[in-house]
Parts: sequence; C-alpha cells; structure tokens
Amino acid sequence: AQSVTQLGSHVSVSEGALVLLRCNYSSSVPPYLFWYVQYPNQGLQLLLKYTSAATLVKGINGFEAEFKKSETSFHLTKPSAHMRDAAEYFCAVSESQGGKLIFGQGTELSVKP
Amino acid sequence: DTEVTQTPKHLVMGMTNKKSLKCEQHMGHRAMYWYKQKAKKPPELMFVYSYEKLSINESVPSRFSPECPNSSLLNLHLHALQPEDSALYLCASSQEVNGYNSPLHFGNGTRLTVT
Repeated sequence: AQSVTQLGSHVSVSEGALVLLRCNYSSSVPPYLFWYVQYPNQGLQLLLKYTSAATLVKGINGFEAEFKKSETSFHLTKPSAHMRDAAEYFCAVSESQGGKLIFGQGTELSVKP
Repeated sequence: DTEVTQTPKHLVMGMTNKKSLKCEQHMGHRAMYWYKQKAKKPPELMFVYSYEKLSINESVPSRFSPECPNSSLLNLHLHALQPEDSALYLCASSQEVNGYNSPLHFGNGTRLTVT
C-alpha cells in the first residue's frame, strides 16, 4: 500500500530564509506525487506534481520539489520565504487506480518577520 | 478565486435538522469528490463520482447522502448528524478519476457545526 510521511508537523523560518518541507513516500509502483497548500479558511491548492517527466519539478509561488527515488523522498523547497507562504502544506501520493489521493499529515509553515 | 464553488460557506445545524451542501464546477471535469477535514488534519475522502455515477464510498455513515444531478453539480445531503461530524467539508473535481493524470481542484469548503 502507498503511504506518505511528512517529517515535522510544524516548521518555522524567518522571512527570506530557505524553506524545506520534508516528504517521504512508500510505494510499490512508480508513484505520482503532489504538494498542496492550504491557506487559512481555504481549500487546498495544487503547488506542483511529479509524474515521472522530470525529477526536479517547479511549481507555483517559487516552490520546487525534487524526486529522489533512492531516498524515496519528494521534499519541497523555496529559496526565500515570504510572509504570505505561511500555510499548511500537504504532500500526497496517488494510487495507481481510482484516483484516491493519500495525504500526509501536513506541515504547518510559519514565517517570522 | 477557486473554480470550484461551494455553498454555504458556514452552516450550523442541530442534530435533528436536514440540510444540504452544494458544489459546482464549470471546468468540464468528469470526476467530483467530497472530503471531510478536521482541524490540523489532512482531508479524508468520503465519496467519488465519476461521470455522474458513484464510484467510491469510503464506508461513510448513511446520515451523509451524496447526489450528483449532473456533471457540474454535486450535493451532500445531511440528516441526523452528530456533533463529531462538525468539520470542514471540501468538494473537489478533476478531469478524470485517475488522480495521477488530473490533479484535484478544491473548493474553499463549508464549515459545518453540529449542535
């Protein structure tokens, strides 16, 4: 069965600092991986997705993620944090059939001025 | 602005009430979903509709009744809910049910409180 583990339920960075949110997956087949962001009182918004075309995936708002098969990881990064990046971030893996997304537990990102 | 519209944004209902949540999308997506999200938790899948037919029911209690009148609309009928059903209910859509090809587009949710 596929699963996702997000390391760290809460990450705090200073404005302008590097953002690194960790995600490890477990899958017996090539995975399809996603990062979603949820701002307060809103639904989830797709940041980026990995579908095997390229290991480094660029998303919206300056975020990117690198798929590392050897480490079963799909960490999310952003070179310079902005106050507006404060939100909950979810890593997710898609089952091969049925369209069911398996979400990680989420990481809350705080950005200090 | 989200392309998936959910109404109402907030709903307070008693345990004996009957209410409905509504969801609408005009992206031509053929798959629609209901998720339940508790505070500080990831969304939990409830139902999936594909081409207006129910394809997944994640063993949801019968007090939740989904309906897909057409490819653009999705309803969730609520009856005799319990306080523990209080949560954010999210609707989502995708081009097809295969998630790896078509990511989910979420609405902003309905914040439900059961008293």
